[in-house]
Amino acid sequence: ETGVTQTPRHLVMGMTNKKSLKCEQHLGHNAMYWYKQSAKKPLELMFVYNFKEQTENNSVPSRFSPECPNSSHLFLHLHTLQPEDSALYLCASRLGQDSRRDGYTFGSGTRLTVV
Amino acid sequence: AQSVTQPDIHITVSEGASLELRCNYSYGATPYLFWYVQSPGQGLQLLLKYFSGDTLVQGIKGFEAEFKRSQSSFNLRKPSVHWSDAAEYFCAVGTGNTGKLIFGQGTTLQVKP
Repeated sequence: ETGVTQTPRHLVMGMTNKKSLKCEQHLGHNAMYWYKQSAKKPLELMFVYNFKEQTENNSVPSRFSPECPNSSHLFLHLHTLQPEDSALYLCASRLGQDSRRDGYTFGSGTRLTVV
Repeated sequence: AQSVTQPDIHITVSEGASLELRCNYSYGATPYLFWYVQSPGQGLQLLLKYFSGDTLVQGIKGFEAEFKRSQSSFNLRKPSVHWSDAAEYFCAVGTGNTGKLIFGQGTTLQVKP
């Protein structure tokens, strides 16, 4: 247990479904991140939030919609996904966006399969 | 542009043998460097980090890494590998004003009995 909890651990959804991924941390961190990890590809940073404000969106398609209601919770809302969106989605946190000396603390990820 | 290269996609070592995983980075300023390990189906766990001081840093699980500025490298080492070390290993560099992490493509370690 790393202190960053992601639910669900596994998710299978059809292309017309709407679902949400949840990330929660009670480490006192203020920066939160969504990463996509596909087979045979490097980790892709999707979104960055710092003190609930989105500070980075790496040209992510609009079918992925993040939400950060407070510094402890981060969601990724999914709708009309494509099969190529199947991947492991990782949430991470850090004390602050500018906490250069700190590494990220990662959750265990949600394995998403789009059918 | 900042980048991280892990030249070896896959490495196989025998249990008890020594291990070295290579990492090269491209970054103009003093880098903040990290090594992570990912077991199957899990997230990434921080093994160790370097940002200043002694260029040989110790981490968890018996791992160490050496920062060599002249070679732009931050190689991960372990004197004697255990079967439980089989996993994927990622090198990362903190870049820019915020120290955002850029990850290498990872090295998969297989351990033979």
